[in-house]
Amino acid sequence: KAGVTQTPRYLIKTRGQQVTLSCSPISGHRSVSWYQQTPGQGLQFLFEYFSETQRNKGNFPGRFSGRQFSNSRSEMNVSTLELGDSALYLCATGTANTDTQYFGPGTRLTVL
Amino acid sequence: AQSVTQPDIHITVSEGASLELRCNYSYGATPYLFWYVQSPGQGLQLLLKYFSGDTLVQGIKGFEAEFKRSQSSFNLRKPSVHWSDAAEYFCAVGARAGGGADGLTFGKGTHLIIQP
Repeated sequence: KAGVTQTPRYLIKTRGQQVTLSCSPISGHRSVSWYQQTPGQGLQFLFEYFSETQRNKGNFPGRFSGRQFSNSRSEMNVSTLELGDSALYLCATGTANTDTQYFGPGTRLTVL
Repeated sequence: AQSVTQPDIHITVSEGASLELRCNYSYGATPYLFWYVQSPGQGLQLLLKYFSGDTLVQGIKGFEAEFKRSQSSFNLRKPSVHWSDAAEYFCAVGARAGGGADGLTFGKGTHLIIQP
């Protein structure tokens, strides 16, 4: 079974631009969560989607948004990029009542 | 609010020696507890998890962890480390497997260095 896929793996943007990251879950997984990982703040929860609905949201500004499609693939968008948005963005997927979340390899975003 | 503390930022262990990584959590109800490992440039891999039942849980790669409710701890152990165990280790807590309303809350991580 294929693992969680995140695209692109690396991205370089400049301040003020926007960016869209993609996460394709393991087949059969309907839950997708997003996390931001930085050296200073560590791993922080962004949001969780299940069956195309945002189920939970972390403490991030409105510039961070996401969505989930009917095939469970999810995208997250960051608008008006700031230098502090440079991070590794990880998605994790699972089934409805899974006891395990599987993480993807992440997208490394660098904002210049 | 839930929180996780990993007191050791770095730990150096000789190959073949035993290992214990500490994790303390703060959570109002029965927690879901996890240990993840991250190699450089990689995502997170689940080592083991605890939801209920036997407080000593076995995971992959020879790791185990013990849940101690009275001490709010969930320490990770391995009897004999291998050079390939060098990585970043994260302890996490959540309201359910997927994290719950606040997602999974992670500790800051412990960087494990293996000496030959």
